[in-house]
Amino acid sequence: AQSVTQLGSHVSVSEGALVLLRCNYSSSVPPYLFWYVQYPNQGLQLLLKYTTGATLVKGINGFEAEFKKSETSFHLTKPSAHMSDAAEYFCAVALGGYQKVTFGTGTKLQVIP
Amino acid sequence: DTGVSQDPRHKITKRGQNVTFRCDPISEHNRLYWYRQTLGQGPEFLTYFQNEAQLEKSRLLSDRFSAERPKGSFSTLEIQRTEQGDSAMYLCASSGGTGGANEKLFFGSGTQLSVL
Repeated sequence: AQSVTQLGSHVSVSEGALVLLRCNYSSSVPPYLFWYVQYPNQGLQLLLKYTTGATLVKGINGFEAEFKKSETSFHLTKPSAHMSDAAEYFCAVALGGYQKVTFGTGTKLQVIP
Repeated sequence: DTGVSQDPRHKITKRGQNVTFRCDPISEHNRLYWYRQTLGQGPEFLTYFQNEAQLEKSRLLSDRFSAERPKGSFSTLEIQRTEQGDSAMYLCASSGGTGGANEKLFFGSGTQLSVL
């Protein structure tokens, strides 16, 4: 069985500040890891994913995440927050494919001008 | 690519009524998924189709829930005898390919169900 834990249901950052959203996973086998973003009244959109290979993955809108097996973490970062980054972010895990993606409970990011 | 479409966007019903939702995946996507999202939670997997075959169902999908994907195109999710606990956002997603590392899920905007 796989699961993810997102630390902090709400995170507030100032515009231009570093964004750090935390995610820890639990998996019995090497997992596929994802970050999705959900804007109000819109569907979930894939930000980035880790499957195999390079542990630092870059996604859309300047986001990146690093897979750290020793820490079972996959934290999402962005060097400088924009107002448009305000949304809810979901970490997710799957085993060997996309059939059963397990999502975390989400972190709402607020960007303060 | 017109994206994944879900209809209706909102549904309000009385307890005990039946409701049906529709999902139109991206054309030629062979895989279709239903998820449910309640307030403060992430989406939870309900069921999955490859073409017209329903390959997996979550334990969350009680016998009041039924999903179909005739002809491997659009899908419907029906809830019979709705209960207040069924109130949630029902999300549909589709993907193409063989389920490998390069496959990507595309989500619709969801159907928000409110059971009074």
